[in-house]
Amino acid sequence: AQKITQTQPGMFVQEKEAVTLDCTYDTSDPSYGLFWYKQPSSGEMIFLIYQGSYDQQNATEGRYSLNFQKARKSANLVISASQLGDSAMYFCAMREINYGGSQGNLIFGKGTKLSVKP
Amino acid sequence: GAGVSQSPSNKVTEKGKDVELRCDPISGHTALYWYRQSLGQGLEFLIYFQGNSAPDKSGLPSDRFSAERTGGSVSTLTIQRTQQEDSAVYLCASSPRMDETQYFGPGTRLLVL
Repeated sequence: AQKITQTQPGMFVQEKEAVTLDCTYDTSDPSYGLFWYKQPSSGEMIFLIYQGSYDQQNATEGRYSLNFQKARKSANLVISASQLGDSAMYFCAMREINYGGSQGNLIFGKGTKLSVKP
Repeated sequence: GAGVSQSPSNKVTEKGKDVELRCDPISGHTALYWYRQSLGQGLEFLIYFQGNSAPDKSGLPSDRFSAERTGGSVSTLTIQRTQQEDSAVYLCASSPRMDETQYFGPGTRLLVL
């Protein structure tokens, strides 16, 4: 079974509008971290936002916020006021802390390609 | 400050040849990770280093893959007897410690002909 599921292979959004990218995860580890990375066409993975499993509040970083619903095991990324430069692949990732002797490596979803229309 | 750097940025090789990929982590970062990104498999973890400790090789796909990290800093990923299925982007990431955010380099695009 996939540990990270991103159900939207591609998304379109109008410039200046908000968009939500979906991510669900599966783990039995009580302690984990959730990340979102952006990968533009240049290829570099850019860290956007982090949410810890014990964090009480949803993480926010500028125009990025993470809608963390622990009971549903979802960690959706919300981008407000989309810009043309937001067009990229977006990856959701999880790091398990205790499970199976994990050394903190990230487990990635398949990604969502976001296209911002002018 | 300087981010993670990787070299070469692109590598084309013939099937059966050996290749070496280099990663310079962010200064002071003790944890270093290698990942592979391919169309068919997405992003996969390969190997993890923590300082000078023995690496976690659990993600290496075959014994043709090996990596070392000298002096707790620079890392080299070596692929011996390359196969066409090794064609992928190899990404290196580092973090201050194992449980902190990982920052990625630009990757090395490997094409095996």
